[in-house]
Amino acid sequence: GDSVTQMEGPVTLSEEAFLTINCTYTATGYPSLFWYVQYPGEGLQLLLKATKADDKGSNKGFEATYRKETTSFHLEKGSVQVSDSAVYFCALISSWGGYNKLIFGAGTRLAVHP
Amino acid sequence: GAGVSQSPSNKVTEKGKDVELRCDPISGHTALYWYRQRLGQGLEFLIYFQGNSAPDKSGLPSDRFSAERTGESVSTLTIQRTQQEDSAVYLCASSKQGALNTEAFFGQGTRLTVV
Repeated sequence: GDSVTQMEGPVTLSEEAFLTINCTYTATGYPSLFWYVQYPGEGLQLLLKATKADDKGSNKGFEATYRKETTSFHLEKGSVQVSDSAVYFCALISSWGGYNKLIFGAGTRLAVHP
Repeated sequence: GAGVSQSPSNKVTEKGKDVELRCDPISGHTALYWYRQRLGQGLEFLIYFQGNSAPDKSGLPSDRFSAERTGESVSTLTIQRTQQEDSAVYLCASSKQGALNTEAFFGQGTRLTVV
């Protein structure tokens, strides 16, 4: 079945460092890809998305490019802030067996220190 | 309402008791998901409702777990004979039907503690 694999955390960075969180997927067909974020004490919310190959999703300084050839959707940010500390989830929706099911990776915890 | 609403926000129950968790999705959202999130862990898919289609129950961990949804509205997740390993945050999400790029909106979750 379809699945998402993320790099294990926690990821610990100093403020203004460069961030990469790796995400790869396995899917039948052409899924849409997402990054969701869960800030401490808050619910999950959509960070960015991409719906077809070579699309780049971006929001709040974060970017991710849909790479069909490597089945990847890595999350990047050039300069992280303390306020970016959160858990980040990579996800996909694919059409399988008549369903459009949202499937999540295990999540990667990011801690940014001043 | 404006967002996905879950109740109760917290539930403490004794081992062996049954519990019922409620989710009110965003009006007009035909897709509804339940997930479980154990402390410090990722999202575990439980069940998925899509309109009037038969639900995808492939994630339910045992026959103690069941869920219902009336039409395109409220859903309830029931856990019978709760065990300590059921302690987790149970998250509900809803989205519009059909589109592969549609965003899922999450509730704040129900924190279940089995003592």
